[in-house]
Amino acid sequence: AQSVTQPDIHITVSEGASLELRCNYSYGATPYLFWYVQSPGQGLQLLLKYFSGDTLVQGIKGFEAEFKRSQSSFNLRKPSVHWSDAAEYFCAVGHSNSGYALNFGKGTSLLVTP
Amino acid sequence: DAEITQSPRHKITETGRQVTLACHQTWNHNNMFWYRQDLGHGLRLIHYSYGVQDTNKGEVSDGYSVSRSNTEDLPLTLESAASSQTSVYFCASSENGAGFTDTQYFGPGTRLTVL
Repeated sequence: AQSVTQPDIHITVSEGASLELRCNYSYGATPYLFWYVQSPGQGLQLLLKYFSGDTLVQGIKGFEAEFKRSQSSFNLRKPSVHWSDAAEYFCAVGHSNSGYALNFGKGTSLLVTP
Repeated sequence: DAEITQSPRHKITETGRQVTLACHQTWNHNNMFWYRQDLGHGLRLIHYSYGVQDTNKGEVSDGYSVSRSNTEDLPLTLESAASSQTSVYFCASSENGAGFTDTQYFGPGTRLTVL
């Protein structure tokens, strides 16, 4: 069955520093991969998605992610973090056993310090 | 603007009561989903629907039911609420059967407390 792991529960970075959030997936075929962000008290917003083609995907808010098949990873990056990026980040994989639903990782909570 | 709404945003109920959470989308999307979010578990799929009269069970469907009588709405019913169902519930929708290439749009969530 498809699964996704986010190894880091919490991450703290300084404002202006670079960010990388890790995501590893387990999937037998070409994966459909997503990153969502959840601000406190809000629903989830899609940052970016990967289905095929160029392995470096650009998203909204200056985020990007790179698909590495050899490492089964889809890490999210941002070159310079802003205080407003503090939120919960979820990696997700397409869930073929449940139609078009998504299988989410447990999330990484990002804290941004001044 | 098209949107997806959930009501109520907050609900407190007692064990054993029936509770219905509403989800309404104005995009005319065929696909709709219900997830629950719990600390340490991320989001887990409860039920999903590909269109009117279609419903399917997800990973954690026990104790929940859904019905789809029109395109816009997918209400989630807890038949007999249990404390283990205290959670935040998210509804989502995506377009018409094109698979994962369509973005899922999420509602703002309903925080349910079962006492």
